[in-house]
Amino acid sequence: QITLKESGPTLVKPTQTLTLTCIFSTFSLNTRGVGVGWIRQSPGKALEWLALIYWDDEVRYSPSLMSRLTITRDASKNQVVLTMTNMDPVDTATYYCVHTPPDGLRFDYWGQGTLVTVSS
Amino acid sequence: AVRMTQSPSSLSASTGDRVTVTCRASQGISRSLAWYQQKPGEAPKLLISDAATLQSGVPSKFSGSGSGTDFTLTISSLQSEDFATYYCQQYYSYPPTFGQGTKVEIK
Repeated sequence: QITLKESGPTLVKPTQTLTLTCIFSTFSLNTRGVGVGWIRQSPGKALEWLALIYWDDEVRYSPSLMSRLTITRDASKNQVVLTMTNMDPVDTATYYCVHTPPDGLRFDYWGQGTLVTVSS
Repeated sequence: AVRMTQSPSSLSASTGDRVTVTCRASQGISRSLAWYQQKPGEAPKLLISDAATLQSGVPSKFSGSGSGTDFTLTISSLQSEDFATYYCQQYYSYPPTFGQGTKVEIK
């Protein structure tokens, strides 16, 4: 069973940089076509896709947040890291790490999510 | 970006009811559509991909249909565990985008 788990700070101040780590198991990010990404959900709101990194290091970002996001991977450690700069209270959300299979950009496995609050 | 619009935003239904949720894409997305179920405090769960393919372990009371711009999710006989929020998502083109959700509540 594929599992993903997010970790990172629960509280960040405005203008700070957020760093979230996703540790995953039971699959390899070296498998052709596989990707790991991030999706967030503001309280009571809909889902918003943020970024994705593929097995071959191709990266994709949300156009509206591209300037603030960086996604990297350490395949040997089964980790994917997302950084988001210049955090704002509107970035308060639950951040999910997700797995995407080789045959389509849908999200078949999700981490439990981590709530990040942006407040001074 | 492809805009996904779900209707209704919420609905009230009784156990045993047949429920239909609609999702419309702002442009044609072929059958590159997924449906998710999210219960309070939980991560979303993938129910259906490619508009109509049920994921392993998902009960057959769930079904999906449509192609192009118009899609539906149907729950044939609503049970207590089905009260949740449902989201559609297109993966035809980047960025992948979600509908705003449909909350299915108990009448």
